[in-house]
Amino acid sequence: KQEVTQIPAALSVPEGENLVLNCSFTDSAIYNLQWFRQDPGKGLTSLLLIQSSQREQTSGRLNASLDKSSGRSTLYIAASQPGDSATYLCAPEGGDDKIIFGKGTRLHILP
Amino acid sequence: DAGVTQSPTHLIKTRGQQVTLRCSPKSGHDTVSWYQQALGQGPQFIFQYYEEEERQRGNFPDRFSGHQFPNYSSELNVNALLLGDSALYLCASSPDGTGELFFGEGSRLTVL
Repeated sequence: KQEVTQIPAALSVPEGENLVLNCSFTDSAIYNLQWFRQDPGKGLTSLLLIQSSQREQTSGRLNASLDKSSGRSTLYIAASQPGDSATYLCAPEGGDDKIIFGKGTRLHILP
Repeated sequence: DAGVTQSPTHLIKTRGQQVTLRCSPKSGHDTVSWYQQALGQGPQFIFQYYEEEERQRGNFPDRFSGHQFPNYSSELNVNALLLGDSALYLCASSPDGTGELFFGEGSRLTVL
């Protein structure tokens, strides 16, 4: 059974800093891994999707990497802004086609 | 192009009642998944529908059931509501085979 852990659970950093969010998963037989952003009380917004054959994906100030063999993914946010404050969730899709979520990292960017 | 739409956005029920939540997928998407998200937790997978059939199911009791219509829209039904069913219910659609999920804004259910 896939288990997804995200560290840290919460993070507060000053505006402008670069930061890294971590995601680990127990079953490395995944098809892909997706990173999402969630604002309080809202739905999830897809940020990046990394296929199992890829090592990383980039979108603007966001870069996500995937190391399937070690069961790890990281989301790198460059030059953080107050508008980046949200909860970030990772979700690998396993060989059973189920997409399982971590509990997320609550990010607060201080102006 | 409308994204995933869910209704209602908020609703309040009492224990023992039944509820139906609705979801219209993004245009061109034929697969619909439902998730339950309790406060402070990540979304928990309930089930997935494709071609009007339940294709995958998470660890939820039979009180949770669903349906997918020929136009790919979907309903989530929960019977005999418990206080613990209070949560944000999220619908996500995807083109079959891609695994890329697109979420609606959710339906916030409060059970009193």
